[in-house]
Order: sequence, then structure tokens, then C-alpha cells
Amino acid sequence: DQQVKQNSPSLSVQEGRISILNCDYTNSMFDYFLWYKKYPAEGPTFLISISSIKDKNEDGRFTVFLNKSAKHLSLHIVPSQPGDSAVYFCAASYDGSSNTGKLIFGQGTTLQVKP
Amino acid sequence: KAGVTQTPRYLIKTRGQQVTLSCSPISGHRSVSWYQQTPGQGLQFLFEYFSETQRNKGNFPGRFSGRQFSNSRSEMNVSTLELGDSALYLCASSWQGPPYEQYFGPGTRLTVT
Repeated sequence: DQQVKQNSPSLSVQEGRISILNCDYTNSMFDYFLWYKKYPAEGPTFLISISSIKDKNEDGRFTVFLNKSAKHLSLHIVPSQPGDSAVYFCAASYDGSSNTGKLIFGQGTTLQVKP
Repeated sequence: KAGVTQTPRYLIKTRGQQVTLSCSPISGHRSVSWYQQTPGQGLQFLFEYFSETQRNKGNFPGRFSGRQFSNSRSEMNVSTLELGDSALYLCASSWQGPPYEQYFGPGTRLTVT
């Protein structure tokens, strides 16, 4: 049972345009969501997060939107740069003794930004 | 601050052997989580340690174990290695409680032959 899903395995955009990466979740207990970027042979790098009490969080070129009713979140990168080419993982968590220290990850979306 | 470090970076072992991987968290972080990444299963949670105690465990067989030391450094051990244990093993550290951002090390690439 995959609780966090990234249905698009890959995405290709032109440099300077907007990249939109999507993520859906099924567990209504999730109250914290994160995005990570991963290059080959490296560990995931934390990008941005959002609490379920918010519907938007911005950090520079990165914005995450959360739609709780649809159990959907998205990461917008504007403008996209070739250095953004990587695998992007969506992750979720909830506050509870049975879930300490555990992030549940989607399968990832490979973003390619073309010069 | 120095990031999360993991040693060794690469390891080749034979079926049936055991292996120990090491992780040093970011200074001040007391929670250490371990994940296994494979092409088929993605990133799967193994276990989490806090103050030398395992607080949470994922759905992995008992061959996978870990521990944490008083300085928050952590080790994970896999006994009786199987071919399917070939994976990237990632360690992540975080502050206690929310926010839940975890900071990952570069990983240890384990190949079982």
C-alpha cells in the first residue's frame, strides 16, 4: 500500500520555465510534508517543507502548495535551471509515537531541465 | 556545521557474510534514522534511534539491526547477507520532534555477490 505517490516518473522542461512536480497521499494522518532533491550517488537533499496547517510555503525559487481536501501537494520551481535536473522525492510524516523518525517517500520524479 | 557522514561509501560483500555501516549525525541532532533505497522499492524506512534507544522500526527482517552510541553516532548491521540486500543505505539525522526535516548522508552502496 503506497501511501505517498508520485505518478509522473519523469518531467522535462525548458530552462527558465516553470517546473511543477506533483504528489498525492492517502493517509489523512499525515501532517507534515517535505520535498527532497537527489543527485546520483548522493543522499537526498532537503528542499522545502510544509505543515498541514498551511497551504503554501515559499523559499526562493521553490514553492510548495498543499491541498488537504484533495490530498495533493505540488512543488513549483520558477525559473527552472539546468542545475535543478535531479530526482525529486515527496515525503510525508505525522506526529505520533508509532511514527517517530519515519518519513514515507514517494517513488520520485526525474526532472530534466534543458538549456 | 558538518553534515551527516557515512562510512564506508562503498562495500562489496558475499552472500552469508555480515556487514556494519556507520553514521555520524549533524552535531546536536539526537535522532538518527536509517533507510534502504533500491530501484524497485524506493526509499524504505529501516529504524530510528534517539538517545541510544530504538524508537521505531520498519518492516524489515531481524537480520537488520542497529544501535546508537552516547555521542549519537549510529551503526546498522546486516547479518547473513542476501543478494536482495544490495542497495544504497542512507542515514538521516534530525532534531527531536517537529519540524520533521531529516538531513541525509551520502549513503553506503552495498553490493552483495
